[in-house]
Amino acid sequence: DAKTTQPPSMDCAEGRAANLPCNHSTISGNEYVYWYRQIHSQGPQYIIHGLKNNETNEMASLIITEDRKSSTLILPHATLRDTAVYYCIVRVTNDYKLSFGAGTTVTVRA
Amino acid sequence: DVKVTQSSRYLVKRTGEKVFLECVQDMDHENMFWYRQDPGLGLRLIYFSYDVKMKEKGDIPEGYSVSREKKERFSLILESASTNQTSMYLCASSFGGGSETQYFGPGTRLLVL
Repeated sequence: DAKTTQPPSMDCAEGRAANLPCNHSTISGNEYVYWYRQIHSQGPQYIIHGLKNNETNEMASLIITEDRKSSTLILPHATLRDTAVYYCIVRVTNDYKLSFGAGTTVTVRA
Repeated sequence: DVKVTQSSRYLVKRTGEKVFLECVQDMDHENMFWYRQDPGLGLRLIYFSYDVKMKEKGDIPEGYSVSREKKERFSLILESASTNQTSMYLCASSFGGGSETQYFGPGTRLLVL
């Protein structure tokens, strides 16, 4: 069973905010929401993670709904270099295995 | 910044050859991982190591072995490469306990002919 659901693709204009949704309706109380991205032919890059509070770092913001059943990754000012596949996953922090779904292919257009 | 490096970005080998893929991390991480990534199959864990000389099998260890003689270095060995091992190989590392964010290297795209 898929633990997360993401739209297969989305476009974003350069310089605008990109809002990437993720549904995780079966998330458990001890599972974190993690976001990674993978630029073509490169290794996955960690972006951000959170449990229930909203989080922000130099790359992005993560907004988690109060019921924790969904979240949104926000790239505040998308650039062409943000074009990538974005993966939302839920996991407990001591789960040694990462598993990516299909992700969302984000294309930033000039 | 966390840095995970892999010995090669692209590699071409022949069937039956012994192949060594090396991974080095500079953040004193306890855990290191080898995955392979294939279209339609996603990310699959081959082996991981939680300490020097310690290793655990992942989901698809057959045809592979690993070595961790030093904390910063984790090697993946294909004893006798086969065409079905053509893939993107990804190394990752993470701190032990507590925060388990995994940081990945750039990947090695291996082609076995």
